[in-house]
Formats: sequence, C-alpha cells, structure tokens
Amino acid sequence: GAGVSQTPSNKVTEKGKYVELRCDPISGHTALYWYRQSLGQGPEFLIYFQGTGAADDSGLPNDRFFAVRPEGSVSTLKIQRTERGDSAVYLCASSFPPPSPLHFGNGTRLTVT
Amino acid sequence: AQKITQTQPGMFVQEKEAVTLDCTYDTSDPSYGLFWYKQPSSGEMIFLIYQGSYDQQNATEGRYSLNFQKARKSANLVISASQLGDSAMYFCAMREGRNPWTGNQFYFGTGTSLTVIP
Repeated sequence: GAGVSQTPSNKVTEKGKYVELRCDPISGHTALYWYRQSLGQGPEFLIYFQGTGAADDSGLPNDRFFAVRPEGSVSTLKIQRTERGDSAVYLCASSFPPPSPLHFGNGTRLTVT
Repeated sequence: AQKITQTQPGMFVQEKEAVTLDCTYDTSDPSYGLFWYKQPSSGEMIFLIYQGSYDQQNATEGRYSLNFQKARKSANLVISASQLGDSAMYFCAMREGRNPWTGNQFYFGTGTSLTVIP
C-alpha cells in the first residue's frame, strides 16, 4: 500500500485481557517504530525495529508489552493483562535510514474498560 | 532533561497572518535532524519540514519555514499566510545520529495547539 496501515483502528477490551495491534509499514522501509499517544500529549516512544530485530526497546513501560517483526515487514505490538492506564492511541511509523522522516499510520485507539 | 521542549501549549493567529511556533532541543550528538509534524483533529501525523544539523540554510517548504538557530538549540516553525486548515496540533521532533543500525529514536515535544481565527 501507499502508506503505513494499522489495524484495528479501534479496539475496546476488558481489563486483564490480551490484545494485539498490527502495523504494516511502507514497502521497503527498514525502520519501524511504535509510539503511544495519550490525550493532549506528544507521542511517547515504545520500541524501534531495524529489520527484524528490536534495535531499541527502552520505551516499553513494563514486561506486559512486547513487539515482534518476524520477517522485517509487518509488526505486532502485544499487550498482556491490559490495564485501564494502557488506554491510548498506539501509533506505528516507518522510515528509511536517516535523515528520512517518520511516516505514521492513523493509529489504533485502544480503550481498556 | 527533556530532549524537545515546546513552551506554547496554545497559540492563536488571525487568518492570513504569520505565526511562529517555538521549539528548543537538547543533544550532545553533533549529527541530528529536526522535524515538524502537524496533527489535525482527525489524528494523523503529517510531516511538514526537516532541518539537518549540518544544513547551512534554513529549511523551507511552501508556507512553512524553519528558523534554525544552532547555537541557541532552537528550531522554530514559521507558518506564513495562515489558513483555517492550519488549525491543528504541531509537534517538534528530533532524531539523533546518522547510523541507522543503532537505536535512533525520534523524540517528540508536548506539542502546540494552533487555532487560526477567521
């Protein structure tokens, strides 16, 4: 596709459940980023992939969060035992090497009830 | 310390006037890039303009220009001839380093909400 695609666009889940958020980056982009954005805030870095490997996962808040990119293209962000504080918009972005900008998807709005 | 600081939570500008959105940054890496993004109420993040740390001239893209003052570590966005469609959140971001194989995350500021008044 032409842009970064994220599915689902909206996800409502109950506290304690497991969720998976999917990101399909722009074809050929080697770098893939996950960000989380709470209302009225800037994007908060979670994890960055270069190819298949996580080059920097220092932004993951705790071990309930995990992300994979097994074939160097599509990535899945996985959240176990969801909590109400996990409610946010999860943004995925992809990029060529520097100095290329990030190209963002439209995000997945996660609501934990 | 914050990597990116945007001190203006909200700004108003009259249609057709120019407006400057402030951004200061903090890095010890000599190689870095500065970016501005626009986020309308619909939520998508739209890339506007880029300035590299070694660029000699200020970046311009249509009605957007970047006032880059390296010694002061500021990278203010100037929007000329404001339009109603410019009403949105604006985020300043920085990416350190040139090596794509090391962690080089983008750091974002807290944003400035711009409202264009007809």
